Amino acid sequence: NAGVMQNPRHLVRRRGQEARLRCSPMKGHSHVYWYRQLPEEGLKFMVYLQKENIIDESGMPKERFSAEFPKEGPSILRIQQVVRGDSAAYFCASSPRDTGLEQYFGPGTRLTVT
Amino acid sequence: AQSVTQLDSQVPVFEEAPVELRCNYSSSVSVYLFWYVQYPNQGLQLLLKYLSGSTLVKGINGFEAEFNKSQTSFHLRKPSVHISDTAEYFCAVTPARTGFQKLVFGTGTRLLVSP
Repeated sequence: NAGVMQNPRHLVRRRGQEARLRCSPMKGHSHVYWYRQLPEEGLKFMVYLQKENIIDESGMPKERFSAEFPKEGPSILRIQQVVRGDSAAYFCASSPRDTGLEQYFGPGTRLTVT
Repeated sequence: AQSVTQLDSQVPVFEEAPVELRCNYSSSVSVYLFWYVQYPNQGLQLLLKYLSGSTLVKGINGFEAEFNKSQTSFHLRKPSVHISDTAEYFCAVTPARTGFQKLVFGTGTRLLVSP
């Protein structure tokens, strides 16, 4: 059973470009969470999704950031018009249940904005 | 709201020595507690969790943690560390309620094990 997959592992974008981060949950998991880790900080919750639904997006910046988890395919975290402050590691986690107590993390996507 | 404090940003220790990584939390409600480990360039891996029951929790790789409600602490310990334990360790907390609750992470403690 493959773990949580994230791609790309590293992404470099110039200021103003768009970044698209992909997350494929573990087989059988229908709950996906996105976290952001800024340098020298812990992980900060961004958004929790189930298939075709955003359940909790209280950690998402109000502008430029969006997330989806379609019926088919991976979950996507999209950042429009990136700025230097978006440079961070973005982690995805999945779980088989809705409590969030059993989260399995992917290896992360390291976004660098130049 | 919950918060987690990991006072030690870095803990250097020699191989085969014991280690304790400290975690204190703040919450007005009962909580569940977690320790995760992050090896370089990898995602987080769950070491152990406290949901209820015995306050001494045993996890993977020989780690254990003790939940102390009166001191609002959940310190992680290992009696004898290996070089391979070098990693970043994160403590996390979530309210003990049904349904989805967000994990709140501390800022992490870097464990550096040297020969």
